[in-house]
This record gives sequence, C-alpha cells and structure tokens, in this order.
Amino acid sequence: KNQVEQSPQSLIILEGKNCTLQCNYTVSPFSNLRWYKQDTGRGPVSLTIMTFSENTKSNGRYTATLDADTKQSSLHITASQLSDSASYICVVSASYGNKLVFGAGTILRVKS
Amino acid sequence: DVKVTQSSRYLVKRTGEKVFLECVQDMDHENMFWYRQDPGLGLRLIYFSYDVKMKEKGDIPEGYSVSREKKERFSLILESASTNQTSMYLCASSLASDGDEQFFGPGTRLTVL
Repeated sequence: KNQVEQSPQSLIILEGKNCTLQCNYTVSPFSNLRWYKQDTGRGPVSLTIMTFSENTKSNGRYTATLDADTKQSSLHITASQLSDSASYICVVSASYGNKLVFGAGTILRVKS
Repeated sequence: DVKVTQSSRYLVKRTGEKVFLECVQDMDHENMFWYRQDPGLGLRLIYFSYDVKMKEKGDIPEGYSVSREKKERFSLILESASTNQTSMYLCASSLASDGDEQFFGPGTRLTVL
C-alpha cells in the first residue's frame, strides 16, 4: 500500500534554531517528492521538488534531502523565523496517472 | 502567478442541504482537483478532472459529485450534507499530469450542523 509517514507530528522550537522534519514513503514506482508549506488558513504552497536522481536541493533557508534507496526525505530549516510556523506536508508522486500520496504533515511552531 | 480562488472561505450549512463549492483557476490548467483535509489525516482526494466535462473518482468520492463545464471552473457538490462532511475543502489545479506541481486555493472551511 502506498503510504507517506511524517515525523514528528508537531514541533516547537525557538526562533533562530534549526530543525529537521522527516518523511518516509512506500510509494512505488517513484516519480518525485515535494515538500509543501501550509500557513494557517491558506492552501499548501510547494517549497521544493526532488526527483529520483537528486540528493539535495535548497530553497533559501530550506534544504530538502532524498535517499531513494531507503525511501526517506528530510526538510531542514536553518535559522528559523516566526514566519516558518506552519504545517509542512510531504507529497510523493507515483509514476502513473495523477496519483499523489500525501503525508499527514508536521505542524511547526516557532516561538520567540 | 497562478491563482486558484474558492467561492467561500467559511460556510455553515444544515444537515440535508445541497451545498455547492466553486473553484476557479486563471492559468489555463488542464487538471483540477478537490481534496478534503482533516486533522491527522492529511489531504484526501475526492474527485479530479483532466478535461472539460471529464471527471474521475478519487479516494473518497462517496457523498460528493463534481461538475466541470468550463476549463477554468470546477465545482464540488454535496447532494445532501451530513455532519461527517464538516471539513476543510481544498481545490487545486495543475498544468498536466504525472506529478506536476499542484497549485492550491485558500480552502473553504465547511461546517455542517
């Protein structure tokens, strides 16, 4: 069964600190993996996309990694800001049709 | 920038009412999607459409129907709303299929009393 599991479920960190969010998946055959950020009361917005051949990709203070062998991805946030408070959703695309498998998300709260 | 708009941000309806949720995208995208989002469950696909007048069931289509009469507009219909349909409903669109980025609307928080 195609599944995406994210950990932790929620996280509280102090402003300026780093954090890492985890995503494990069993989706096959794999096409790509995206991390989305969803601010409260808004729809998700794509942060990064990782394809099979990519190990690391950065978008500002966000760095995503992918290990296609172990089917794991992480999203590292550097020097967190209050505006990073959001839900982060890992989404894996299978190589057929319109099949996306969504993780339940990690709720991040950055406090001052 | 791609813009996906949804007709209402908040909606309160009574059990048994017929409910229409509308979504409009302005980037000439082929594909449009309706999801519901519940705490701890993530986004679940209700229906999607890859062309005008075409529709495909997602993972949880029961109790819902959809309509796509124009390329830019995709409507979700609750024929007879029930309390277990209280949820956040998100519309999305994408240029093509197979993993293209989906652009989401702001969501409609529906409460069925």
